Amino acid sequence: SQTIHQWPATLVQPVGSPLSLECTVEGTSNPNLYWYRQAAGRGLQLLFYSVGIGQISSEVPQNLSASRPQDRQFILSSKKLLLSDSGFYLCAWSVQRGGEQYFGPGTRLTVT
Amino acid sequence: GQSLEQPSEVTAVEGAIVQINCTYQTSGFYGLSWYQQHDGGAPTFLSYNGLDGLEETGRFSSFLSRSDSYGYLLLQELQMKDSASYFCAVRDAVNTDKLIFGTGTRLQVFP
Repeated sequence: SQTIHQWPATLVQPVGSPLSLECTVEGTSNPNLYWYRQAAGRGLQLLFYSVGIGQISSEVPQNLSASRPQDRQFILSSKKLLLSDSGFYLCAWSVQRGGEQYFGPGTRLTVT
Repeated sequence: GQSLEQPSEVTAVEGAIVQINCTYQTSGFYGLSWYQQHDGGAPTFLSYNGLDGLEETGRFSSFLSRSDSYGYLLLQELQMKDSASYFCAVRDAVNTDKLIFGTGTRLQVFP
């Protein structure tokens, strides 16, 4: 069966510090991978998605970036965090052109 | 563009039946999905309707009418644990690798 991991679960970072969130998927090959952000009580904002190694599509211009160094690894990064980067970051995967997405447990980021 | 509309909040009591509606506007359609998200947790996939009609999974059912661009999630025999946010979603018509999510409906179940 497929499993998706995200870490860390919670993170408190000062403004201006770097960020690296990692997501890995097990039990499937060549998945689509997604990064979402969710503000408290709000909907899901798609940040990045990837349909293959090294292929990254950005949905929202901001100070975040994503990379996919391996087939089942997706990394979200920032060089300098802003207060507005606080939120709940969710990684998800799906099969190619599949409708259903399966989410990791999320990382709750607080920028102080 | 594509958009999905859901009520922001629905309340009900234990044992009752509740229906959460979703209307969508999209130039191409590849099915309607539903996700459940408990406070502090991640969304989990509930159901998918690719064709018109009702899909049943235990206490949950989902309905789709493509001619009306409308669907709903029906929750029966409500339990306290059903208190959560529910999101409908459609595949992006231009890039079917992406999902477009609704704004979510917060369901509160009271004893």
